[in-house]
Amino acid sequence: QVQLQESGPGLVKPSQTLSLTCTVSGASISSGVYYWSWIRQPAGKGLEWIGRIYSSGSINYNPSLKSRVTISVDTSKDQFSLKLSSVTAADTAVYYCARAVGGMRNNYYYYYMDVWGKGTTVTVSS
Amino acid sequence: SYELTQPPSVSVSPGQTASITCSGDKLGAKYAYWYLQKPGQSPVLVIYQDNQRPSGIPERFSGSNSGNTATLTISGTQAMDEADYYCQAWDSSTVVFGGGTKLTVL
Repeated sequence: QVQLQESGPGLVKPSQTLSLTCTVSGASISSGVYYWSWIRQPAGKGLEWIGRIYSSGSINYNPSLKSRVTISVDTSKDQFSLKLSSVTAADTAVYYCARAVGGMRNNYYYYYMDVWGKGTTVTVSS
Repeated sequence: SYELTQPPSVSVSPGQTASITCSGDKLGAKYAYWYLQKPGQSPVLVIYQDNQRPSGIPERFSGSNSGNTATLTISGTQAMDEADYYCQAWDSSTVVFGGGTKLTVL
């Protein structure tokens, strides 16, 4: 059974870079079947998609965060990572990593997250 | 940018049918997805590709999508179904989430 686990500092200072890693167990990132995504959720608010990466290195970012986000993958460790630069208090949130399924069906593109990590809370504060 | 709109809250009595809507421009021309999230837990996929249930999701959960509106229907709602529900779509190479609907089972 595939599991995802987020890890990284729980406290980041304003203007610094937030760095998180998601470790995948029970599946191989390099299998080429799935995408790997980051999503965040401020306390009491809704979900916000940050971006996704494919094992080949193909990447898509949320346009609202694109200038500050970098997602990368290390297939040798079955890990993928998130870096968010120049953070402010508005970046305080629970950050989730997730496995995603994407492709074409009936001429429509489908994409959804089917397995989620437990989430890790990141607070931006001095 | 593409937007999905959900009602902030929906209430239902136990055993009744709950319907949660998600509206977006020509949403019926895309696939819609639904997640439930209980307090302190990660989201769980309950409907994918408009009306498909992942394994392990009870049959009382169903979905539809047409025109500008996708609907999640929970038949015979149980107290354990009380949660926040989020719709999701894919547009212009990005994931879009609705704002979420808090389902209260009274």
